[in-house]
Amino acid sequence: GAGVSQSPRYKVAKRGQDVALRCDPISGHVSLFWYQQALGQGPEFLTYFQNEAQLDKSGLPSDRFFAERPEGSVSTLKIQRTQQEDSAVYLCASSVVHEKLFFGSGTQLSVL
Amino acid sequence: AQSVTQLGSHVSVSEGALVLLRCNYSSSVPPYLFWYVQYPNQGLQLLLKYTTGATLVKGINGIEAEFKKSETSFHLTKPSAHMSDAAEYFCAVSFFGGATNKLIFGTGTLLAVQP
Repeated sequence: GAGVSQSPRYKVAKRGQDVALRCDPISGHVSLFWYQQALGQGPEFLTYFQNEAQLDKSGLPSDRFFAERPEGSVSTLKIQRTQQEDSAVYLCASSVVHEKLFFGSGTQLSVL
Repeated sequence: AQSVTQLGSHVSVSEGALVLLRCNYSSSVPPYLFWYVQYPNQGLQLLLKYTTGATLVKGINGIEAEFKKSETSFHLTKPSAHMSDAAEYFCAVSFFGGATNKLIFGTGTLLAVQP
């Protein structure tokens, strides 16, 4: 596609439910990033892939958060046993290594 | 620890007036510096970046930002505001030795342009 695509656009989950957020990066982009943006805040780094290798997961807030990119293209961010504090917009971004980062529109997660 | 501070969470200017969005960073190592813009329901878009070389970085439509090491600042300016400039602006940094797109963002400045 022409840009980074994220789905779903909106997700409402009950506390304790598992969720999966999908990111389709721009074709050919080796690098893929996940960021979390809480209301009124700037995005915060979660994790980074280069192809299928997860090179940095230092920003994942707890072991309930898990990300994968098994074939080096599509990525999924999974949150287990969601909590209210997980409510945020989750942003995916992709790039050629060290080049301009392209962001998707994000998935807005609301945990009730 | 590295951090980014954006002074003014809301800035309002009149159409045609100068826009000044402030960004200061804290870092013990030389940074890469970025400005991103976010329009409602859209992804963040890169406006400007500084890596090395000339400290005055120029973008489209008259947007500029100047890296001042002595002031640890990277303020964004635009000489004449347009209604279409209304958006949220984020300053960000990353650092040599790591993934250049592993960014630390400020909390953002919401720019309103009055007619």
